[in-house]
Amino acid sequence: DQQVKQNSPSLSVQEGRISILNCDYTNSMFDYFLWYKKYPAEGPTFLISISSIKDKNEDGRFTVFLNKSAKHLSLHIVPSQPGDSAVYFCAASWYNQGGKLIFGQGTELSVKP
Amino acid sequence: KAGVTQTPRYLIKTRGQQVTLSCSPISGHRSVSWYQQTPGQGLQFLFEYFSETQRNKGNFPGRFSGRQFSNSRSEMNVSTLELGDSALYLCASSLAGNRDNSPLHFGNGTRLTVT
Repeated sequence: DQQVKQNSPSLSVQEGRISILNCDYTNSMFDYFLWYKKYPAEGPTFLISISSIKDKNEDGRFTVFLNKSAKHLSLHIVPSQPGDSAVYFCAASWYNQGGKLIFGQGTELSVKP
Repeated sequence: KAGVTQTPRYLIKTRGQQVTLSCSPISGHRSVSWYQQTPGQGLQFLFEYFSETQRNKGNFPGRFSGRQFSNSRSEMNVSTLELGDSALYLCASSLAGNRDNSPLHFGNGTRLTVT
């Protein structure tokens, strides 16, 4: 039972364009969502998060959108840079679960010069 | 500020043996969580410790255990190793466990290979 799904295993984008990574979830108890980036041989690095009371959160080139009715969130990267090439994981949690995150399977982003 | 440190980086063990992995959290962080990453199952939560107490536990057999010390450092132990335990084991720390702008910060992991 996969509660967090990233249906696109890979995405290729041209440098300077927008990258849109998608994530769907099934558990309506989730109230906190995060995106992580992972390079090979390194641990995941936190990018951006959003609480369920919001529908958008921005941090520099990264924006996360949350559509609660559709149980869908997306990460927008504008403009995309070659250094953004990595695996991106979305993760979800809910009240009082502390350090327990439910992760999606990841989307490998490739940004081509 | 030093990040999350995991030791060792690589480990090779034989079926039936046991193994202990170590994690030093970011200074001031009291919550330490452990995750297993495999190609088939992705990133899965093992357990979380906060102030030396296990606060949450994932769906793993009792062969997987952990503890946290008074300085917030944590260890996880896997007994009677099986081939399927081969994975990247990641430790993450946070101030209070993923709340109030306190996301999890991960170490670079320990790559365990069971032969």
